[in-house]
Amino acid sequence: GESVGLHLPTLSVQEGDNSIINCAYSNSASDYFIWYKQESGKGPQFIIDIRSNMDKRQGQRVTVLLNKTVKHLSLQIAATQPGDSAVYFCAALRQDSSYKLIFGSGTRLLVRP
Amino acid sequence: NAGVTQTPKFRVLKTGQSMTLLCAQDMNHEYMYWYRQDPGMGLRLIHYSVGEGTTAKGEVPDGYNVSRLKKQNFLLGLESAAPSQTSVYFCASSYKLAGEYSYEQYFGPGTRLTVT
Repeated sequence: GESVGLHLPTLSVQEGDNSIINCAYSNSASDYFIWYKQESGKGPQFIIDIRSNMDKRQGQRVTVLLNKTVKHLSLQIAATQPGDSAVYFCAALRQDSSYKLIFGSGTRLLVRP
Repeated sequence: NAGVTQTPKFRVLKTGQSMTLLCAQDMNHEYMYWYRQDPGMGLRLIHYSVGEGTTAKGEVPDGYNVSRLKKQNFLLGLESAAPSQTSVYFCASSYKLAGEYSYEQYFGPGTRLTVT
């Protein structure tokens, strides 16, 4: 079956440094990917998405890179701040199966002051 | 707008008891979803709905039932709760606009359920 996995359960970074969170997916038919941020006690919050016809997309302080050859995507956070501390999930779906996002297990980002 | 709200926030059940979790959204979204989240795991889809009066099974539907009688509400029922259903439950919704589907799902704050 389809699976989405993150490489590290926990990532610790110094405040001000850049963070890179990695994710791998198994289904080569996946063509849409989303990154969510989940703070403690809250529901996931959309950060950024990317379609398979792109290999890079940038938002405010965040960049998502997609490598379809090795079925890997990453989330880069520039100048990491204490407010970035959270669990980050990647999710994948096939647009022809529209509704079903497959979530990874999450990476907890800890920001050291 | 309140977005997606969930009721209750916390609940403790005894094995065999039943309960209904309520999800409400005020964004006029067509699609609604119920997920469960267990420690160390991502969210897993229980059931979803693509419109009022329609529901479908997700990845882990056993032990749960759902209803979507009104567009803004999506109910998740546990008929006979089991300890394996101890989890955090999240509801989400997404929209369809002018024939284009948005894959971004808006999540509620979650319901923490413990079954003893």
